[in-house]
Amino acid sequence: SQQGEEDPQALSIQEGENATMNCSYKTSINNLQWYRQNSGRGLVHLILIRSNEREKHSGRLRVTLDTSKKSSSLLITASRAADTASYFCATDSRGGGSEKLVFGKGTKLTVNP
Amino acid sequence: NAGVMQNPRHLVRRRGQEARLRCSPVKGHSHVYWYRQLPEEGLKFMVYLQKENIIDESGMPKERFSAEFPKEGPSILRIQQVVRGDSAAYFCASSPQGVPTSLSPLHFGNGTRLTVT
Repeated sequence: SQQGEEDPQALSIQEGENATMNCSYKTSINNLQWYRQNSGRGLVHLILIRSNEREKHSGRLRVTLDTSKKSSSLLITASRAADTASYFCATDSRGGGSEKLVFGKGTKLTVNP
Repeated sequence: NAGVMQNPRHLVRRRGQEARLRCSPVKGHSHVYWYRQLPEEGLKFMVYLQKENIIDESGMPKERFSAEFPKEGPSILRIQQVVRGDSAAYFCASSPQGVPTSLSPLHFGNGTRLTVT
């Protein structure tokens, strides 16, 4: 089942601008992760935020988590053309006898030079 | 250090044939996950395996699909009697432990793109 839902589905910005992507989820979580996927490639882990954390930074990335609203946001500051990719949130989901990551449909980010 | 290696990168099969997708996890990782991705979609969980054990196959179709992770060698996702609807990108991911953490997130391969004609 789809746990996370990102919005917007697609985002186009100019180099240097900030990009904000949002993720909403349905059930309680232990942590939420963001991954990036370049076209034709596998996913690369960006950042993990635990359910007891509200904000986390890594370089130009800033992630927030609001467990009361079951939502998270990923902010990329001072975007570059190389940031062009799809971005997915993933939450841990318990079911079928194990914990596993469940991914949303992603936000496709285009950064124009 | 080699990451997750998947082969082949592209696979074309006619309807009714069998497709075998291989995944070699990161060295030392004993947990393997398979996901399927349709165009413009997110990843859908299929199966979670440890060496010689299927831990969770709740995302696998009941028929035609099987997976294994033998004691020696790569993990194999096998699709028998493929149909057009099986066309997708199949990604394998590995982790040193069952629950991904900041220190041990999922490591993904570059996928196998299966096209059924």
